[in-house]
Amino acid sequence: DSGVTQTPKHLITATGQRVTLRCSPRSGDLSVYWYQQSLDQGLQFLIQYYNGEERAKGNILERFSAQQFPDLHSELNLSSLELGDSALYFCASSVFPFYEQYFGPGTRLTVT
Amino acid sequence: GQQVMQIPQYQHVQEGEDFTTYCNSSTTLSNIQWYKQRPGGHPVFLIQLVKSGEVKKQKRLTFQFGEAKKNSSLHITATQTTDVGTYFCAGGTNSGGSNYKLTFGKGTLLTVNP
Repeated sequence: DSGVTQTPKHLITATGQRVTLRCSPRSGDLSVYWYQQSLDQGLQFLIQYYNGEERAKGNILERFSAQQFPDLHSELNLSSLELGDSALYFCASSVFPFYEQYFGPGTRLTVT
Repeated sequence: GQQVMQIPQYQHVQEGEDFTTYCNSSTTLSNIQWYKQRPGGHPVFLIQLVKSGEVKKQKRLTFQFGEAKKNSSLHITATQTTDVGTYFCAGGTNSGGSNYKLTFGKGTLLTVNP
């Protein structure tokens, strides 16, 4: 158990819908990261927050947005969902930006 | 943009054989991290290398960072079935200020035949 929690574990939704994935970092970690993992694209970095502020952006689509709240938990919002958005979404946390990252168990999103 | 290539994509070995995965970056890295992901699991941090030519060992695992800080390798001696999983490298680049970027390779899937 890494100490990072993610909810929900599984999510099935239809194209065009909007979903919110939630992540609670390890106690004491200020930095949160979101990754998308699919079979053909591997592990793709989406976005990173540090103490509530966006610090780095990766291959995140405009339909996706995220934020980190004052209690340090983070949410990833995915809208206008497409079939290709079906993937495993991981959240990770670290004490400082890009130090050793601890990954959560992931949310498996299936878009039908 | 920065690319991190990992080879091979897949490797199947007999238990007891050695295994090596290589990571190559198109740009000079400030650091490199290695992660392992078991089937059905999440990535788990293994190690970070920072210095040019650095070599670190963890039991049967040996990690190297190239002199030019553009490549790295992970070598496992005498593989065991518990080594099964996907090994990812992640290269960090820093172009100043808060402009740090970590790029993951696509990983090497290791399977071990008992």
